[in-house]
Amino acid sequence: GIQVEQSPPDLILQEGANSTLRCNFSDSVNNLQWFHQNPWGQLINLFYIPSGTKQNGRLSATTVATERYSLLYISSSQTTDSGVYFCAVTSQGGSEKLVFGKGTKLTVNP
Amino acid sequence: DAGVIQSPRHEVTEMGQEVTLRCKPISGHNSLFWYRQTMMRGLELLIYFNNNVPIDDSGMPEDRFSAKMPNASFSTLKIQPSEPRDSAVYFCASSVRTVTYGYTFGSGTRLTVV
Repeated sequence: GIQVEQSPPDLILQEGANSTLRCNFSDSVNNLQWFHQNPWGQLINLFYIPSGTKQNGRLSATTVATERYSLLYISSSQTTDSGVYFCAVTSQGGSEKLVFGKGTKLTVNP
Repeated sequence: DAGVIQSPRHEVTEMGQEVTLRCKPISGHNSLFWYRQTMMRGLELLIYFNNNVPIDDSGMPEDRFSAKMPNASFSTLKIQPSEPRDSAVYFCASSVRTVTYGYTFGSGTRLTVV
């Protein structure tokens, strides 16, 4: 099945810093989503982005489908950005199930 | 819309007891997914339904687990009998069209089996 690798596994930032999270996937995808799991465990959908670029406030994401990777940018980070960021994909022509990476744990210190 | 609604939020039960988790998908969504999250295995799909029909249950760990979707607005995941290794957070998600739109997750049920 499709493999999803995220890097880095852990990231510690000072408030106000910028960061880039990466997601590599091993096959063509129909669906790619970025989620934020907050300290209370909720999975919040950030972006649905199988290709192209999207922006939402301080967050933006770019997926280069032909090269099989996606990037999540967080600018001017805040303590509320802390949590785990997951990339998840569905394989093109394969099962409909969303396959998750292991996540990037982000800690933003005041 | 209220989003995907799961109940209960927390469940503590004794080994051997039956546990039933419930999910109400977003109205109009025709696909429903049950996921389990553990520290060791991360987020893994247990089963998913399309138009109330189970499509892929290959992730269901064993016969102690069963899932139903009697109608478009309700699904259950049952564990009978429960074991300590079933302790995890169980998420339900729904989608309009699984390969074109994104998935929306519920808040999860944290299950502890003692």
